Formats: sequence, C-alpha cells, structure tokens
Amino acid sequence: DTGVSQNPRHKITKRGQNVTFRCDPISEHNRLYWYRQTLGQGPEFLTYFQNEAQLEKSRLLSDRFSAERPKGSFSTLEIQRTEQGDSAMYLCASSPKQGPADTQYFGPGTRLTVL
Amino acid sequence: GQQLNQSPQSMFIQEGEDVSMNCTSSSIFNTWLWYKQDPGEGPVLLIALYKAGELTSNGRLTAQFGITRKDSFLNISASIPSDVGIYFCAGFSTGNQFYFGTGTSLTVIP
Repeated sequence: DTGVSQNPRHKITKRGQNVTFRCDPISEHNRLYWYRQTLGQGPEFLTYFQNEAQLEKSRLLSDRFSAERPKGSFSTLEIQRTEQGDSAMYLCASSPKQGPADTQYFGPGTRLTVL
Repeated sequence: GQQLNQSPQSMFIQEGEDVSMNCTSSSIFNTWLWYKQDPGEGPVLLIALYKAGELTSNGRLTAQFGITRKDSFLNISASIPSDVGIYFCAGFSTGNQFYFGTGTSLTVIP
C-alpha cells in the first residue's frame, strides 16, 4: 500500500500523559499536513511542513503540541500533558512536489481518547 | 478555526436519486476540493477544482467552482448504497491553509 499511513490507529491515555503519533506520507510527497477532527466536524488545520521545514502553525496548536519532520519524510505529532479536550481524530495528509500543492491525500487517522 | 458552510447538513435519499450539496464561504478561495469520509477513516479526495467556473466530473460525481470563488457544489447522479458517508468541501486559501466544511451526511436507502 503506497498511501499515507498513520500509527497508532487508536490511542487511549490518561489525562496528563504525553502521547506521540507518527505519519508516513506518500513516498516523495514533500508537503505534509496535520489536522484535528472532532465528532461531527470537518478537519481543522494544525500545521504544515514543506520537506523538513514547518511553515505554518495554527493558533489551535497550543504550546503542549509539537510536530517534527526531521528528515523531510515521516512526521511526528506530540501532545504533552494531555487534556480531555484533546480527544479527537488526528489526521495527516501529504501532497506531491509536482502538481498543485493543494491536492492532499489523507491517512486513516489516529483516534485519541483522553480519560 | 474558520470553517466553510455546507448544506444540507444531512440527506436521506432513495437509491437511484440524484444528490446535490453545496458549500459557501465569506472568503475567496483559490481551490475547492470535495472529499468523502467513511466512519473511522480519513477523508478521500473525490474532485479538485482550480479555476473559477470550472466544472469537473469524476464518474457519477460532478462539481463546480463558483464564479465568485466563494462557493462550490457537488452533484451525485443515480446514487447507490456505497455513496453513504460524509461529504466535506474544502477550500484552499493563501497561506497554505485548508478550511473544511461542516460536512453533509448522506444516507442512501436501498
């Protein structure tokens, strides 16, 4: 399968714990995006990478959130001191170097539940 | 964050009927995309629109980029049970940010 992959698919954690999610984009896609989606809503943009550079960050991305893409391939999203309000689906998307930058392909998401 | 307004919020239709949904924004967008999302999965891209007035088809799906660049619609012809899901529009603005619509939930009754 050559699509975007995300791990884990599900994560249950206790409030106050740290969690880290991984996203592997489609090979050679240089743009990578993170979104958060709560029940009944559309995805909300969190942050965007072009290669290893983090170019955009939403105001939704509080200080407890950090994202990295160290070698311009896979990316990680870490949430520190999780809160119940962090419970959501976290989606990753990538788009190709060639062609429109905005044709994004999504992964299956990581569903986070904070107890 | 900003979200686009989609209507209707939900639709219940008979198999074989045509479906129409639209998406509006107070801001101008350079690109409109339509996605379908099944429960527990990520959105899957259906159609991408890059130019005002553009009309694009993908099988039974047809979408148009509004002339004002503030709206788009998606039509599904001759619906089938596997069309069930949530349909999202998304607009791409300057600044490399995507804004998603609130979603239209489609139920197809066999």
